[in-house]
Amino acid sequence: DGGITQSPKYLFRKEGQNVTLSCEQNLNHDAMYWYRQDPGQGLRLIYYSQIVNDFQKGDIAEGYSVSREKKESFPLTVTSAQKNPTAFYLCASTKGGGRDNQPQHFGDGTRLSIL
Amino acid sequence: EDQVTQSPEALRLQEGESSSLNCSYTVSGLRGLFWYRQDPGKGPEFLFTLYSAGEEKEKERLKATLTKKESFLHITAPKPEDSATYLCAVHRTQGGSEKLVFGKGTKLTVNP
Repeated sequence: DGGITQSPKYLFRKEGQNVTLSCEQNLNHDAMYWYRQDPGQGLRLIYYSQIVNDFQKGDIAEGYSVSREKKESFPLTVTSAQKNPTAFYLCASTKGGGRDNQPQHFGDGTRLSIL
Repeated sequence: EDQVTQSPEALRLQEGESSSLNCSYTVSGLRGLFWYRQDPGKGPEFLFTLYSAGEEKEKERLKATLTKKESFLHITAPKPEDSATYLCAVHRTQGGSEKLVFGKGTKLTVNP
């Protein structure tokens, strides 16, 4: 079955450490997205990519970095500069480049906590 | 500023007790409105897309409607398995980029 796979499901970060969250999709979607979800808040966009080798900052990009070397993969690195990284991270993808009003489809998330 | 407000924040229903969830929005350049269902510890699951005022979509016990300012998700004769958080998101364009703006969600609990 086609879908979006996020790993790991749970991740713990030590102070000063960078960690990378994986997102892989086999839906042949062009656009991919990273969101952060905190209790009592709506999903907030971190980064998005509409095509391979290109990505744009979302609303809360500070302290995060991404790459898009393959169509299927869009890893997110949470750097030590992100002072409040504890959250539920969601990866999504959509057909086309995100311009044709197709719904985004989500993975099952990675929960990141501070040790 | 673009805003999506969902109400109520939480709703408790008895099995079979119909009700509606509200999503009001103030977004320029609206291109569509999406409803999602999210179970605890899971990613949102796509339910409906609505593109224009007056449009309606149905799926099992759920029916979504759209006006120029808000959308409703009507739940008819709900069952305990309908318990989840329901998210509303609007798709808008700004400066050539396309983004989804999400509401905070309505947590629905259906008691047997």
